[in-house]
Amino acid sequence: DAGVTQSPTHLIKTRGQQVTLRCSPKSGHDTVSWYQQALGQGPQFIFQYYEEEERQRGNFPDRFSGHQFPNYSSELNVNALLLGDSALYLCASSLWGLSGAMNEQFFGPGTRLTVL
Amino acid sequence: DAKTTQPNSMESNEEEPVHLPCNHSTISGTDYIHWYRQLPSQGPEYVIHGLTSNVNNRMASLAIAEDRKSSTLILHRATLRDAAVYYCILAYGGATNKLIFGTGTLLAVQP
Repeated sequence: DAGVTQSPTHLIKTRGQQVTLRCSPKSGHDTVSWYQQALGQGPQFIFQYYEEEERQRGNFPDRFSGHQFPNYSSELNVNALLLGDSALYLCASSLWGLSGAMNEQFFGPGTRLTVL
Repeated sequence: DAKTTQPNSMESNEEEPVHLPCNHSTISGTDYIHWYRQLPSQGPEYVIHGLTSNVNNRMASLAIAEDRKSSTLILHRATLRDAAVYYCILAYGGATNKLIFGTGTLLAVQP
């Protein structure tokens, strides 16, 4: 059973460019959450998708957008990249409908984005 | 958002028990206490969670104070593979389950 997969593993972009990161959830999961982890910090919640809709959003600007496809996979898009967007981007999958407090999230290995 | 406070770092010797503390004085009655850990170069992984009672699983034990304002993750016999950042998180109820991570505790395990 494949766990959460993310692509690409590493990515280098320059300021002002746009980037798309991809995530496939664990088999059987229908909810995808995205997190940004700066060096030396804990992950910060960006947003969460279920049924192809953004259900909850953290404190991130509109430059960060996402999409969920009918097969539950998801994309994270970041426009007009800034140096401060350099980070590890983590995708986590879970099941919608269970009590959130009971609902374990499974994380992928992340995509390391470097903005020059 | 209710917050947690953890020591920045701790050290342990291999095969000895480790007690990782967490304070969460603003916890609400419906918040569950979750622990995740992040091994080097990996995404976080679930360790354990609880509400009021102490919990045990194959990875660890979770001891929750009677007033729920603090908890302790217990690794019964630390191994080198347990070296990681451990995050104590208050998880919210409802269908959405975003996790609010702090900076965690970096656990070093000495052979």
